[in-house]
Amino acid sequence: AQSVAQPEDQVNVAEGNPLTVKCTYSVSGNPYLFWYVQYPNRGLQFLLKYITGDNLVKGSYGFEAEFNKSQTSFHLKKPSALVSDSALYFCAVRDINDYKLSFGAGTTVTVRA
Amino acid sequence: GAGVSQSPSNKVTEKGKDVELRCDPISGHTALYWYRQSLGQGLEFLIYFQGNSAPDKSGLPSDRFSAERTGGSVSTLTIQRTQQEDSAVYLCASSGRQGANTGELFFGEGSRLTVL
Repeated sequence: AQSVAQPEDQVNVAEGNPLTVKCTYSVSGNPYLFWYVQYPNRGLQFLLKYITGDNLVKGSYGFEAEFNKSQTSFHLKKPSALVSDSALYFCAVRDINDYKLSFGAGTTVTVRA
Repeated sequence: GAGVSQSPSNKVTEKGKDVELRCDPISGHTALYWYRQSLGQGLEFLIYFQGNSAPDKSGLPSDRFSAERTGGSVSTLTIQRTQQEDSAVYLCASSGRQGANTGELFFGEGSRLTVL
């Protein structure tokens, strides 16, 4: 079985401040980890993924995420948030032997000007 | 088209009616997924297609739900005798062979279903 937890329903930050969105996962084997973003009335857009290799992965729009195996976490980060980053963010996990992506409940990010 | 296309974008129906939701994946993508997004909840996996076959239907909530895929392309999700708890946004995603191995899915904008 595989699952994802996003402990925060909402994250509020001021523009220019660092942004962190938390994610922890559970899989029986080795994980593939993903972040997706959903803007209002739009579909999900892929941000970044961890498959193997460097624990720090960089993605679209200046976002990055760090894979931490011991803590089973994959937190999303951005050094300086923009108002346009306000959206719903989903973390997802897949066992490398599976094809099904399991998503967290999502975290709503609001960046105030 | 360049992306995953879903129709209708919005559907309002009465309880007990049948509905069909359509997904047109990215050309050449072999894998196709249906997810359901309910208000305040994450994405719930419904069904996965590889080509025209569905090796995993485990997420379909009940026998009122069915899906098919023809020609390795378009897929239709059918909900019979709709209930109010079926109200949600139904998302379709596709991926190519490489994507199916690493999980990068391309999503459509969804079909919002409201059952009155």
